Amino acid sequence: GAVVSQHPSRVICKSGTSVKIECRSLDFQATTMFWYRQFPKQSLMLMATSNEGSKATYEQGVEKDKFLINHASLTLSTLTVTSAHPEDSSFYICSATRDRGPNEQFFGPGTRLTVL
Amino acid sequence: AQSVAQPEDQVNVAEGNPLTVKCTYSVSGNPYLFWYVQYPNRGLQFLLKYITGDNLVKGSYGFEAEFNKSQTSFHLKKPSALVSDSALYFCAVRPRNNNDMRFGAGTRLTVKP
Repeated sequence: GAVVSQHPSRVICKSGTSVKIECRSLDFQATTMFWYRQFPKQSLMLMATSNEGSKATYEQGVEKDKFLINHASLTLSTLTVTSAHPEDSSFYICSATRDRGPNEQFFGPGTRLTVL
Repeated sequence: AQSVAQPEDQVNVAEGNPLTVKCTYSVSGNPYLFWYVQYPNRGLQFLLKYITGDNLVKGSYGFEAEFNKSQTSFHLKKPSALVSDSALYFCAVRPRNNNDMRFGAGTRLTVKP
């Protein structure tokens, strides 16, 4: 149990276009979902935290209008990279927690975004 | 501010030898502590966590970690390394009163045959 999927796994787009990444908890209801960004050979950087039905909480330095997060249900969160530029190229990883206890986050497999 | 330090970018061990990947943290209170492993182009996989109780925590794939409160450390260990253990390892901490998890910079473990 506790599987998180991401779609797509890899996307290549042109500069100026928008890209949507989906994160789904397949066999549990996620109270909270997280979006991370990982640069090559670096750690995960938390971008935002989202709870179903409410606005996402963004980390300092992350542009809300650039990275739109929608947490429409307890099993789905989406990250939209708007007007993507080459510097947005990165590995984006989502995670979800199953409940409010001291449980680990369950991570999706990640999405590799390449902006040309 | 909370922080997690993994002092070694890279750890190299020979197959069959014990391995240690170090982690120290600076978080107020008694945080939850985690270890995750990441294989190339994949998400993170949970290895183990410390909540309370016994300082030695056993996890997946034969890994264990020792919590040391006085040294604020949570080092990952395995008695006998396998080549398949080669991957990127992340230590993470999370305060008890919120979901704000912070990750260390990661340590790349290479196990040579």
